[in-house]
Amino acid sequence: GQNIDQPTEMTATEGAIVQINCTYQTSGFNGLFWYQQHAGEAPTFLSYNVLDGLEEKGRFSSFLSRSKGYSYLLLKELQMKDSASYLCAVRGRSTGFQKLVFGTGTRLLVSP
Amino acid sequence: DTGVSQDPRHKITKRGQNVTFRCDPISEHNRLYWYRQTLGQGPEFLTYFQNEAQLEKSRLLSDRFSAERPKGSFSTLEIQRTEQGDSAMYLCASSPEADEQYFGPGTRLTVT
Repeated sequence: GQNIDQPTEMTATEGAIVQINCTYQTSGFNGLFWYQQHAGEAPTFLSYNVLDGLEEKGRFSSFLSRSKGYSYLLLKELQMKDSASYLCAVRGRSTGFQKLVFGTGTRLLVSP
Repeated sequence: DTGVSQDPRHKITKRGQNVTFRCDPISEHNRLYWYRQTLGQGPEFLTYFQNEAQLEKSRLLSDRFSAERPKGSFSTLEIQRTEQGDSAMYLCASSPEADEQYFGPGTRLTVT
């Protein structure tokens, strides 16, 4: 099966940088995804890592280390609208390479 | 609008009643997924279709739950004899291949 851990809640200041960590255990790893979810809304795709290293997309970057079962999402130049939950999800052989298994999410609060 | 759509957005029903939800995926996506999300948790996988074939079904999906995708386009999720524990957000997602999944706005079910 899968086990995904991420912090429950984080706070940061507008304009700052924040790093949200995710550790996972899965068999036959085939990709790690980050989604953003505002309260009462559907998750929206942010990033996808399948190889080790850093993927950068504007203010958001995501890093993966498969040997350590570890990823992080880096948010730069934080804005108030970045206050949301950030969901880490993995896909693996035990999921048939299809479904995503999500963590419980990290609630990020950005203050002025 | 070319995103995933779901109907209804909200449903309040009495315990013991049957409910049916509809999902219309992005038109060129052949893969469709149903997830359930409760407050403070990440989405949990329920079932997956590739075209009209239901290829995977979670153990979370008791025999009161059934899903169909008759023509490989829209899908329906039916819950029979609803229970209070079925109260949740039901999310539908679609993807073109084994890529990132795009989520619809969800149907929020409240069982009284």
